[in-house]
Amino acid sequence: NAGVMQNPRHLVRRRGQEARLRCSPVKGHSHVYWYRQLPEEGLKFMVYLQKENIIDESGMPKERFSAEFPKEGPSILRIQQVVRGDSAAYFCASSRNDPMGAQYFGPGTRLLVL
Amino acid sequence: GIQVEQSPPDLILQEGANSTLRCNFSDSVNNLQWFHQNPWGQLINLFYIPSGTKQNGRLSATTVATERYSLLYISSSQTTDSGVYFCAGDSGNTGKLIFGQGTTLQVKP
Repeated sequence: NAGVMQNPRHLVRRRGQEARLRCSPVKGHSHVYWYRQLPEEGLKFMVYLQKENIIDESGMPKERFSAEFPKEGPSILRIQQVVRGDSAAYFCASSRNDPMGAQYFGPGTRLLVL
Repeated sequence: GIQVEQSPPDLILQEGANSTLRCNFSDSVNNLQWFHQNPWGQLINLFYIPSGTKQNGRLSATTVATERYSLLYISSSQTTDSGVYFCAGDSGNTGKLIFGQGTTLQVKP
């Protein structure tokens, strides 16, 4: 069984560019979560999505960040006009049928903004 | 939101030693998980343990939900156990895991 897949694993962007992070959940999982780990910090919740719906985006910065989980294809976390403070590890997790249950994490995407 | 406190923040062990890591929650939690972040940054699921006790090899965990804490036991530690151990919980079945700040473990050969 394939676990949560994330790509790219490493992404380098210059200030002002766009970053697109992809996440394919565990097969059969319909709930996706994104977390961010800033350098030397713990993990912080960003957004929770089901297919075609954003359930909770209370952890997302108000500007430049967006997320989607379309009916077909991976979940996408999009960061527009990146700034150096966006440099972090972004983790995606998935769970089976509802938020009560284990979340399985992907290997993360390490974003570096120059 | 809930607060998650982990102790100790740092731990250095000699290979073969045992250790106990603790996680305290400010409120009751529904989904409680332990993770190991290895030196390469990958997050490994260790336990999903909202209550009770589970064991997996040299690792075991116990959650006392009524007392709002969980313990992770590492026995006969190995150098590959090094890394950061996180606990996380969700207080309202929201799917929003709140993480502790982690315990950084270094196991010396």
